[in-house]
Amino acid sequence: EVQVVESGGGVVQPGGSLRLSCATSGFTFSDYNMHWVRQAPGKGLEGVALISRDDSGAAYADSVKGRFTISRDNSRNSLYLQMNSLRTEDSALYYCAKDKIGSIDYWGQGTRVTVSS
Amino acid sequence: DVVMTQSPLSLPVTLGQPASISCRSSQSLVYSDGNTYLSWFHQRPGQSPRRLIYKLSNRDSGVPDRFSGSGSGTDFTLKISSVEAEDVGVYYCMQGSHWPYTFGQGTKLEIK
Repeated sequence: EVQVVESGGGVVQPGGSLRLSCATSGFTFSDYNMHWVRQAPGKGLEGVALISRDDSGAAYADSVKGRFTISRDNSRNSLYLQMNSLRTEDSALYYCAKDKIGSIDYWGQGTRVTVSS
Repeated sequence: DVVMTQSPLSLPVTLGQPASISCRSSQSLVYSDGNTYLSWFHQRPGQSPRRLIYKLSNRDSGVPDRFSGSGSGTDFTLKISSVEAEDVGVYYCMQGSHWPYTFGQGTKLEIK
């Protein structure tokens, strides 16, 4: 059974940093691209970042470019999101999600990030 | 980035009646391999999204056949042939033909 479990969320002040982690199991992690998708309270889904299966490439939403960095450790079946220079508008539920050929087929339950002074 | 535009944003429907959601992309979603990587997701309050349709018109396992996806190029549609109570929630289209993947704003389906 595919499992995707996020951690690392919390409350941080504007300008601060946070590192999210995503532990996976039930599939060959190194075979798949992976995503971070966020959802602000009461709002829609926003793709934040995605990374290729072999870590050769990544892409970011314009709203986080230059501030967030996606990475992975295929030996640990884990995905990460380093978030720097956080803003209040970055407050959201952050989902880790598994890619499958141009789509997303599995989602975690999310980890909440609150940016507030 | 590719902009995905859904309509309507709110969709009140009577039980047993059909429903249709439109999604338009700012660029063609036909990928170099000939496939169109357009997916539809359903999200209930407090839950993670669940995929219904992938690659334009393929239903996921366990998705009722009252759900169907269609379209081409930049115009896409999700149809529900006969709405049931469990269909309430928000529906999102998502394109996966261009990096980064992008979502529509969401369409909230409610029962009249």
